[in-house]
Amino acid sequence: GAGVSQSPSNKVTEKGKDVELRCDPISGHTALYWYRQSLGQGLEFLIYFQGNSAPDKSGLPSDRFSAERTGGSVSTLTIQRTQQEDSAVYLCASSLTGEGYTFGSGTRLTVV
Amino acid sequence: QKEVEQDPGPLSVPEGAIVSLNCTYSNSAFQYFMWYRQYSRKGPELLMYTYSSGNKEDGRFTAQVDKSSKYISLFIRDSQPSDSATYLCAMRGEGTGRRALTFGSGTRLQVQP
Repeated sequence: GAGVSQSPSNKVTEKGKDVELRCDPISGHTALYWYRQSLGQGLEFLIYFQGNSAPDKSGLPSDRFSAERTGGSVSTLTIQRTQQEDSAVYLCASSLTGEGYTFGSGTRLTVV
Repeated sequence: QKEVEQDPGPLSVPEGAIVSLNCTYSNSAFQYFMWYRQYSRKGPELLMYTYSSGNKEDGRFTAQVDKSSKYISLFIRDSQPSDSATYLCAMRGEGTGRRALTFGSGTRLQVQP
């Protein structure tokens, strides 16, 4: 597609439930990033995929968070046993060169 | 202490004013510097990208990097109400190590018509 697509745009879930967030990057972009943006905070790096290399998971805040990227394209971020502090906007970005990212509009996650 | 510090604002200016937005950072390894603009409920969009020290101009926008002071700036000339948004600085180091950007927390700008 023309841009980075994320779904759902909004998600309300009960504490303790698992959620899956999806990202469709720009076709041909080899790099894909997940960030989290909490209210009034900057973007917090979560995970980075580059081609077929092992992902950089150094930003994942706990083992409840995981992500995969299938076929070098679509990525899914999974949060298990959600907690209220997981409420945030989850942003996905893709890049061809690793320099300028193109971001999606994000998934706004609310844990109640 | 955060690696990248940015005043959250809000910064309110009249239409036509020159706006100065700034970030300081602590990691001397940062070599690539970017400014992103984020409208409400949208993802950030890349405005300016610079490598190492120096200035770069694009239309009404000028980015400056002073690596000796670990200080970067974004200037907006002839500001417009449509420039009202949150501006995020971002940066990363050289090489094939971690390619992820480190972001500031953003400055909210309001341009009053």
